Amino acid sequence: RKEVEQDPGPFNVPEGATVAFNCTYSNSASQSFFWYRQDCRKEPKLLMSVYSSGNEDGRFTAQLNRASQYISLLIRDSKLSDSATYLCVVNEASGNTPLVFGKGTRLSVIA
Amino acid sequence: GAVVSQHPSWVICKSGTSVKIECRSLDFQATTMFWYRQFPKQSLMLMATSNEGSKATYEQGVEKDKFLINHASLTLSTLTVTSAHPEDSSFYICSARDPGQGLYEQYFGPGTRLTVT
Repeated sequence: RKEVEQDPGPFNVPEGATVAFNCTYSNSASQSFFWYRQDCRKEPKLLMSVYSSGNEDGRFTAQLNRASQYISLLIRDSKLSDSATYLCVVNEASGNTPLVFGKGTRLSVIA
Repeated sequence: GAVVSQHPSWVICKSGTSVKIECRSLDFQATTMFWYRQFPKQSLMLMATSNEGSKATYEQGVEKDKFLINHASLTLSTLTVTSAHPEDSSFYICSARDPGQGLYEQYFGPGTRLTVT
């Protein structure tokens, strides 16, 4: 049973491109949603939380559709430093419960 | 944000030996910490939930007698890989939530890369 599914990638895009990642989750009772970024051989780091109303942080925009159980991340004006693996992450319950991670989508931004 | 440290950052050991990995919350108290394992090109997989002052909760398929977890204080959890084998070679990462920052965001340690020869 795959709880959080993401685009398999890898995505290879030129600098300045806009790239979108998609994610679906299976548990309709999931409470909170995140995008994490993981660089090679490093720990995941929170990129942004995802809210039902959608939210934006600079070049990054996250959207959540609870009815479709779908999460997205849009990166505009890609930079070389955006190259990383992007993890879709779901918290399936309230309280102090562990996060559930997707397998991640690898992004390579090319000069 | 909150800081979580791990030690060691990498370790090489011989098959059959035991390795202890420490996870510390440096600027907050964590009643619960989580241990994950990540194989190359795979997602993080939860191994167990470490509860301060009580037994850890292990995920299905994770041997509790092989992966010993001790959460003796509010700032320290340890994972001991006993009788390590080459298939235990992986990236082990711990995480914790800072209650002062809300219950949803997790802070990760930098990970420990274990290689068993």
